Amino acid sequence: GQQLNQSPQSMFIQEGEDVSMNCTSSSIFNTWLWYKQDPGEGPVLLIALYKAGELTSNGRLTAQFGITRKDSFLNISASIPSDVGIYFCAGPPFDFGNEKLTFGTGTRLTIIP
Amino acid sequence: ETGVTQTPRHLVMGMTNKKSLKCEQHLGHNAMYWYKQSAKKPLELMFVYSLEERVENNSVPSRFSPECPNSSHLFLHLHTLQPEDSALYLCASSQQNRDYGYTFGSGTRLTVV
Repeated sequence: GQQLNQSPQSMFIQEGEDVSMNCTSSSIFNTWLWYKQDPGEGPVLLIALYKAGELTSNGRLTAQFGITRKDSFLNISASIPSDVGIYFCAGPPFDFGNEKLTFGTGTRLTIIP
Repeated sequence: ETGVTQTPRHLVMGMTNKKSLKCEQHLGHNAMYWYKQSAKKPLELMFVYSLEERVENNSVPSRFSPECPNSSHLFLHLHTLQPEDSALYLCASSQQNRDYGYTFGSGTRLTVV
């Protein structure tokens, strides 16, 4: 089936650092979504992207829909302790119905004291 | 209550037990989903219900049996599970043909002993 590869798998950073992660697919997507999962909770939607080239911000978070429609990027500026968690990209592949999303493998963010 | 509520939050069951997971959404959505999240694996879609009809069953073993009595409630009936079924089971809902913003519950952490 469809697969979304996220990079890096894990990140260890210090508070205040900026973070960059990306998500790639072998097929094109119409929509890219970024979710965050806190420990012991379900994923929560952070940002949704609907157009190739689109750049959208949500506070310190900025995400971009790649021009090729096969990738997306998420940046977090000036990280704080509550940014810890797992970040997932997701989307409905072009040839799928809109009943389901494919999720990426996740990027686990840890902040070193 | 708002959002998606899952009960119980934690469940420990023996391999010969029968138990059920419950999910309730208060968002007026018309689609509901069961996902399985195991350590170091992407979120795995198990079942999709759209307008109370099952539209997807991703080759899930018959020891997992979903039930959707109405658009607000979703159950996952469990019987004769295996230790490898231990995972976080997440319920989500969405409004189809609008956007792809799945809303997830907090999940049920299942341990099979």
